[in-house]
Amino acid sequence: NAGVTQTPKFQVLKTGQSMTLQCAQDMNHNSMYWYRQDPGMGLRLIYYSASEGTTDKGEVPNGYNVSRLNKREFSLRLESAAPSQTSVYFCASSERGTSPGNEQFFGPGTRLTVL
Amino acid sequence: SQKIEQNSEALNIQEGKTATLTCNYTNYSPAYLQWYRQDPGRGPVFLLLIRENEKEKRKERLKVTFDTTLKQSLFHITASQPADSATYLCALLNDYKLSFGAGTTVTVRA
Repeated sequence: NAGVTQTPKFQVLKTGQSMTLQCAQDMNHNSMYWYRQDPGMGLRLIYYSASEGTTDKGEVPNGYNVSRLNKREFSLRLESAAPSQTSVYFCASSERGTSPGNEQFFGPGTRLTVL
Repeated sequence: SQKIEQNSEALNIQEGKTATLTCNYTNYSPAYLQWYRQDPGRGPVFLLLIRENEKEKRKERLKVTFDTTLKQSLFHITASQPADSATYLCALLNDYKLSFGAGTTVTVRA
């Protein structure tokens, strides 16, 4: 039982390049989330998927797109990377987003640098 | 605007003492508040949840209080140990999405 896995662990991009961050969970959770974490700012929600087949914008969606490929997988795409997207990206999942108080399970993170 | 504020400064305490962390919020009406622990280079890990109608919750050496009038939660680590050194995040459940504070880093000296 691996929990939430993310690939890659580290990535360096040049401005304008594109890439996809992959996330998978093996806990049969319905809801999945993408966050970014910057020093002194806490975790900020980029996009989330309350259930398979649905996605919604979070607090900071600009410059990103997501795909809920199936119940297990939720990917985050940067179409044209910018230095402001340098951050640590975390994927998380929970049993059902609409259930009150559901704890979220986080992956190990992807450390992205955009030059 | 909505805001979640945690102790901005790191907390350094002696082993065996109690660490007390604060989480203040404005313009939220959360039904639930969660606390997470984050170690360097890792994702957050869930610790405790407290509901708005609960004044206090305990789990082993951890204690959380939730005062909806003051709009504040306190997180206590009693009999602290060096292994408790980490960053602690509070999170409010808002429209079934979590909003996180920036966290407070705790260092426990042996």
